[in-house]
Amino acid sequence: QVQLQESGPGLVKPSGTLSLTCAVSGGSISSSNWWSWVRQPPGKGLEWIGEIYHSGSTNYNPSLKSRVTISVDKSKNQFSLKLSSVTAADTAVYYCARGYSSSWGRFDPWGQGTLVTVSS
Amino acid sequence: QSALTQPASVSGSPGQSITISCTGTSSDVGGYNYVSWYQQHPGKAPKLMIYDVSNRPSGVSNRFSGSKSGNTASLTISGLQAEDEADYYCSSYTSSSTQVFGTGTKVTVL
Repeated sequence: QVQLQESGPGLVKPSGTLSLTCAVSGGSISSSNWWSWVRQPPGKGLEWIGEIYHSGSTNYNPSLKSRVTISVDKSKNQFSLKLSSVTAADTAVYYCARGYSSSWGRFDPWGQGTLVTVSS
Repeated sequence: QSALTQPASVSGSPGQSITISCTGTSSDVGGYNYVSWYQQHPGKAPKLMIYDVSNRPSGVSNRFSGSKSGNTASLTISGLQAEDEADYYCSSYTSSSTQVFGTGTKVTVL
């Protein structure tokens, strides 16, 4: 079955750029699915960041849109997240997840998540 | 976009039924049959429990059920068990072609 695994630096300096990658295994990123990023600040709720289709089409959370870029690398079967101008408020566990174009809001499976701390 | 509104906490005794509400607007919950529910245990990734308002993925107990009326969706857990103690989140598609999560509900089994 499809499995997702996040990777990237666990510590990012303020004003820097957060960069994460999600590797997809057990299935193709070119399938009829959207691929999403979701984050969760410590002790707080889930926040949807954005999503990408293998064609490169994207949708972003309006509150983060000016700072977010999600891209896909079909040759490596992975997709990536870049979040610029980070502050302490961007400290969170970042999850990647598979979405369904025929069933919006349905995310399954999820990666295990990776904690990113913004600090100098 | 504003997070969907959920009660902060709900509790019940083993064997009882509880219901968690998820209130949005006509631009999200009320406008589409694309409401999902997630269970999250501490330190773990969320797990899909319900999608498309009332559909259960394979492997999810039939003690979990979903429904929707107007701008409010609901998750009902029947025959409450100790293992159901967790945080629960709803999500919905929106008219802006985005997704939005609820504020989250902590379920306590007394």
